[in-house]
Amino acid sequence: EAQVTQNPRYLITVTGKKLTVTCSQNMNHEYMSWYRQDPGLGLRQIYYSMNVEVTDKGDVPEGYKVSRKEKRNFPLILESPSPNQTSLYFCASSLKGLAGERFYEQYFGPGTRLTVT
Amino acid sequence: DQQVKQNSPSLSVQEGRISILNCDYTNSMFDYFLWYKKYPAEGPTFLISISSIKDKNEDGRFTVFLNKSAKHLSLHIVPSQPGDSAVYFCAASAKHYGQNFVFGPGTRLSVLP
Repeated sequence: EAQVTQNPRYLITVTGKKLTVTCSQNMNHEYMSWYRQDPGLGLRQIYYSMNVEVTDKGDVPEGYKVSRKEKRNFPLILESPSPNQTSLYFCASSLKGLAGERFYEQYFGPGTRLTVT
Repeated sequence: DQQVKQNSPSLSVQEGRISILNCDYTNSMFDYFLWYKKYPAEGPTFLISISSIKDKNEDGRFTVFLNKSAKHLSLHIVPSQPGDSAVYFCAASAKHYGQNFVFGPGTRLSVLP
């Protein structure tokens, strides 16, 4: 089954304790992205990756790191989490990164609800 | 300032009637628009899209209309069904931005039986 998986689905942690949220897709997609969803703000892009070893900042990258060492995996790293990073996080992937003459719909993972106390 | 706005946080309609969800954008560079649907405890799923070269796109019960001069698009669901109850996100992008989409805050649709 074609899917994007995220782990963990729920996480409660304390300020300053490093954590990683994993994301994996089995569709051989080039493009992967991380979003956070907050009430009234919709989904805001944190980081994206056009392909292996190619990553770039989205709209709200502060406090986050990513890496893309393999095509299928795109982990989100919070080196020193703070309470304002409490949010619902979504990983997404799409076939291509560059639009060219068409756009490719993104496939989303089920979300990771993170609480930082 | 939000570039994509969905000014109605929620909408309730009767089963069988039409649901109309609205979306406004401010960036004139946007030339591609998508609608996503999201159920609780799940990720958003793609619903329908429209390119700026069109003013209408239809897929079954779902139709998206684009008014470029007004920077406005709408999603029509006819007839509405209880299973359509979800949060709907409007998203926009431009060729210049590649696959990077700007999402609106979402509208929660409730279809009442």
